Amino acid sequence: ELVLTQSPATLSLSPGERATLSCRASQSVSNYLAWYQQKPGQAPRLLIYDVSNRATGIPARFSGSGSGTDFTLTISSLEPEDFAVYYCQQRNSWPPYPFGQGTKVEI
Amino acid sequence: EVQLVESGGGLIQPGGSLRLSCAASGFIVNSISMSWVRQAPGKGLEWVSVIHIDDTIFYADSLRGRFTISRDSSKNTLYLQMNNLKVDDTAVYFCARLQDYSGVRAWFDSWGQGTLVTVSS
Repeated sequence: ELVLTQSPATLSLSPGERATLSCRASQSVSNYLAWYQQKPGQAPRLLIYDVSNRATGIPARFSGSGSGTDFTLTISSLEPEDFAVYYCQQRNSWPPYPFGQGTKVEI
Repeated sequence: EVQLVESGGGLIQPGGSLRLSCAASGFIVNSISMSWVRQAPGKGLEWVSVIHIDDTIFYADSLRGRFTISRDSSKNTLYLQMNNLKVDDTAVYFCARLQDYSGVRAWFDSWGQGTLVTVSS
C-alpha cells in the first residue's frame, strides 16, 4: 500500500518567511502529485496538480517540485492567509487516491 | 462557476443509515469522475468512494458493503448511501470533482463545503 508521509507535522514561521513542505511516497508509483490547502472549517482547496502546475487562481508564491518519491511544496513568502494545513495526494493502483497526513503551517 | 453543495448529514445511532446528497452546478455530474472524501474530527483526509465516467465504482476497503455511491443525471446530484453506520464513520463528508487521467494522474479540483455525520448513541 502506498503511504504518503508529510514533514514536518507542524511548521512554525512568520509572515514573509519561506515555507518548505515535504511529501515522501513509500514507493515510486507516479511522477504526478497534487497539493491542497485547508483552513479551519473549510473544504480543501486544490493548489498544485501534476507536481508543479498551479490551479486556477493560485498565487505564484506557491510552487511545487519533485519526482519519484520526494516532492516539495514551497511558499516563497508567507502571507497571513497562507497559515493553514497542507495535504499531498497521489494516484495509485490501490488505494487509488491516498493523502498524506498533513502539515500545519502556523504563525 | 463550478459549485458543489452537500446535504443530508446529521446525528445517527450506530447501525443506522443516512443518505448524503451533493448537488452540482456548473458542470454535469455524469460527464466526469466524482468522489467522496471524509475527514474525522481533528484528522486528515480519507478517500471514501469514486464513480467514474464509465460508471465503474470503487470504495475504500473499510467501507465496502456498507456504502453505496450513485448519481442522478436528472437532478445533477451525487449520492452516498451509508448503511450500518459505526462510531468510526463520524466525519465531515466532502464531495469532490475528480480529474483522473489514465489512472496515473489524478486530483480533486472542486470540493463542496462538507456535511457532518455524527454516529453516536
